[in-house]
Formats: sequence, structure tokens, C-alpha cells
Amino acid sequence: GIQVEQSPPDLILQEGANSTLRCNFSDSVNNLQWFHQNPWGQLINLFYIPSGTKQNGRLSATTVATERYSLLYISSSQTTDSGVYFCAATSGETSGSRLTFGEGTQLTVNP
Amino acid sequence: NAGVTQTPKFQVLKTGQSMTLQCAQDMNHEYMSWYRQDPGMGLRLIHYSVGAGITDQGEVPNGYNVSRSTTEDFPLRLLSAAPSQTSVYFCASSYSTGRGPWSEQFFGPGTRLTVL
Repeated sequence: GIQVEQSPPDLILQEGANSTLRCNFSDSVNNLQWFHQNPWGQLINLFYIPSGTKQNGRLSATTVATERYSLLYISSSQTTDSGVYFCAATSGETSGSRLTFGEGTQLTVNP
Repeated sequence: NAGVTQTPKFQVLKTGQSMTLQCAQDMNHEYMSWYRQDPGMGLRLIHYSVGAGITDQGEVPNGYNVSRSTTEDFPLRLLSAAPSQTSVYFCASSYSTGRGPWSEQFFGPGTRLTVL
């Protein structure tokens, strides 16, 4: 099955800084999602982005499917951005959507 | 819409006990799935269903049973709980886009299970 690798594993920022999180995948994808898991464990959908670029406020994401990677940009970070960011992908599936998750990036934003 | 709901939020079991984790969605989504998340790791797929009456195994199915008698509900059963099943369990759903890939997945709030 598809392999999903995220980097960096840990990231510590000061409030107001920008950051880029990376997700590499081993096969072509037909579904790629970014999630934020907050300190209470809730998984929040950030982007559904199998290709192209999307923006939502201070967050944006770009997936370059031909080169098998996706990037999540966080600008002007806030303490509420802290948590774990997961990338998850599906490839070659025609029945169901079997997401394979990366191990996540633990982001800590200090005031 | 309530979205994807899961009950209970927390559960403690003794080794060998059985229980059912409940998952329901009110979005009329065809696809539902169960994942487990162990400390410091991403989620891993246990079982999934592409519609009522159809289920299949994911990456880590051993020790778990599922059934899908309705579109709305997808319960996960632990027949004989083991400490290795201590984890956080998430249910998710998505819908068919009509052609090609399924939609993004929507996750429930999770059930934190401890097996002693």
C-alpha cells in the first residue's frame, strides 16, 4: 500500500512565525487530506487537496501530485494552532477510501 | 446535522470482556470506517464499509468485528478485549462523488478505550 511520510516530526515556533509542513507519499493519490488534531484529541478537517492549491485564512496547502508531495503552510501562527498535523492519502482505490495516515507533525506555538 | 457521532466517549474494560463501540452519521454517507490511534502515531484503518451489508478489513482487523445493517450505523465489536486494544477509536464517513475517488472523510470525536 501507499506510504505517507511527514516532516518535521516536531516543530516549535514563537507566536507570529510562519511554518511549512511537508507530506511525501509513495504512489499517485486520488485523495489527500490534511487534519489538525487539537489537544483534546479532536480531528479537524483542514484541506481535501489531491492536487492544486487551496487557502483558508492563515492556512494554505499545495499538492504536487506528479512529484508526490504536499505542503501545508501556516502563517502568523497562534497558540491555538498547537497540536498534531496529519496528512492522509488514498491511492488506486476504486472501492472505499482507505486513508493511510502519516505519523504527524507535533506543532507547539509559544506565546 | 449532528455529523458523525460516537458513543461512549470513554470506556474501561477488563481483559476478556466484550463491548460494542457505536458510530452513527446523519449525512447519508455510503462509506464508513473505523480507525484506531495509538500514542504518538497516526490513525490505522480497522474495518470499513462501502454501503449497507458490505464490509471489509483494513490494516489492523484482528480482534474486531463489524456489521452494517443500515446506512446510518456502523458498530465496532470487541469480542474479547485485550490490553493491546487500549487505544483511541475514531469512526469516519464519506460519500461517493459519482465518479472516481470518494469525498473527504469526516471524523467523529473518538472513543478512548482502556483495557486492564
